[in-house]
Amino acid sequence: DAKTTQPNSMESNEEEPVHLPCNHSTISGTDYIHWYRQLPSQGPEYVIHGLTSNVNNRMASLAIAEDRKSSTLILHRATLRDAAVYYCILRRNFGNEKLTFGTGTRLTIIP
Amino acid sequence: KAGVTQTPRYLIKTRGQQVTLSCSPISGHRSVSWYQQTPGQGLQFLFEYFSETQRNKGNFPGRFSGRQFSNSRSEMNVSTLELGDSALYLCASSLFLGSTYEQYFGPGTRLTVT
Repeated sequence: DAKTTQPNSMESNEEEPVHLPCNHSTISGTDYIHWYRQLPSQGPEYVIHGLTSNVNNRMASLAIAEDRKSSTLILHRATLRDAAVYYCILRRNFGNEKLTFGTGTRLTIIP
Repeated sequence: KAGVTQTPRYLIKTRGQQVTLSCSPISGHRSVSWYQQTPGQGLQFLFEYFSETQRNKGNFPGRFSGRQFSNSRSEMNVSTLELGDSALYLCASSLFLGSTYEQYFGPGTRLTVT
């Protein structure tokens, strides 16, 4: 699986937008970009995924660079509940259920 | 729908013993994956089962094994436990989103080996 690079940690103020970057310069054409997060004392949970176009859902937005070598997860209005480790993961489109987790970004929300 | 359930939630074993962990996927999900999470190594893939067959395997020794039953429930077994096997063991079941898969994780089983 292609590798991703994320900052180890980030801080944001409550109720402000958060932009979490991810670099994936060796991404292949069939790799989907997935984001998961892990809240304290819980298993990871799916946040969002995309292939080429920007994506929005109720949790977040995903902005994908035109060359697909980087992406940004956007939390529009951070709450204390968003404090978690966020993982950016590349996955092939069919089969292969394996998720290869990196070290992720630990997001701290400041009240 | 009920989420992924894992039993037991906490377990303490001694070195040399064996342990079996259980996972019940979300109803209708046929794929079950197992992961190990430790502070040093992070989240690492163990193996994945689909329709009672192991479809993918990570880089873990043969002491780690698993199986899946016809109702999609899965078990993983670790034999001859070592101190380094102390970890959070997570199970995930998969939902096909039309182009890729989303994995739903359970709360995990915290295994402590003394």
